[in-house]
Amino acid sequence: GAVVSQHPSRVICKSGTSVKIECRSLDFQATTMFWYRQFPKQSLMLMATSNEGSKATYEQGVEKDKFLINHASLTLSTLTVTSAHPEDSSFYICSALGGTLEAFFGQGTRLTVV
Amino acid sequence: GENVEQHPSTLSVQEGDSAVIKCTYSDSASNYFPWYKQELGKRPQLIIDIRSNVGEKKDQRIAVTLNKTAKHFSLHITETQPEDSAVYFCAARKMAAGNKLTFGGGTRVLVKP
Repeated sequence: GAVVSQHPSRVICKSGTSVKIECRSLDFQATTMFWYRQFPKQSLMLMATSNEGSKATYEQGVEKDKFLINHASLTLSTLTVTSAHPEDSSFYICSALGGTLEAFFGQGTRLTVV
Repeated sequence: GENVEQHPSTLSVQEGDSAVIKCTYSDSASNYFPWYKQELGKRPQLIIDIRSNVGEKKDQRIAVTLNKTAKHFSLHITETQPEDSAVYFCAARKMAAGNKLTFGGGTRVLVKP
């Protein structure tokens, strides 16, 4: 199947700093990627839809200035958590749509803000 | 928007028994229903999916059934093995909604040897 690579897998940052997470489709082009947040023992909560060459569409309640999304190419979307605070600590996962519209997930990024 | 409910939230079965997880969805326009398996700290992996023009699909020990009228779909795992222990998520999607997946709350399955 198609491969989606997410980097970094783990990151620890200080409060007030920004963190960038990358999501790459390695062997296919993805016009649409999605960013999710997952709390411990909970489901995946969609944060935003990232479309190549256009602005991301954010879900209700997700601050677009806090979670900056850039989808500059057909194989790369980035999520930047700005001015991170401890409550932003979570597991962030991206997914990319393949040609058959099947969703392929990245391995996730565990963010810890101290 | 779409709402997907999943039951049970936890399921414990003896090795060799069957496991059944049920999901209901709210939007009758949804037409794609995947199931994902997620092991602790890892990415969700697609294990089986079904589209609205099909009522049942099977892949070895895993099967999914869809009842469009009742708006529910189920995952069936037969002859469970310890390596089936994981969290399983159902999801629903309609093509007109930007291809967004709406996930159920998840079911934690424990297969006891």
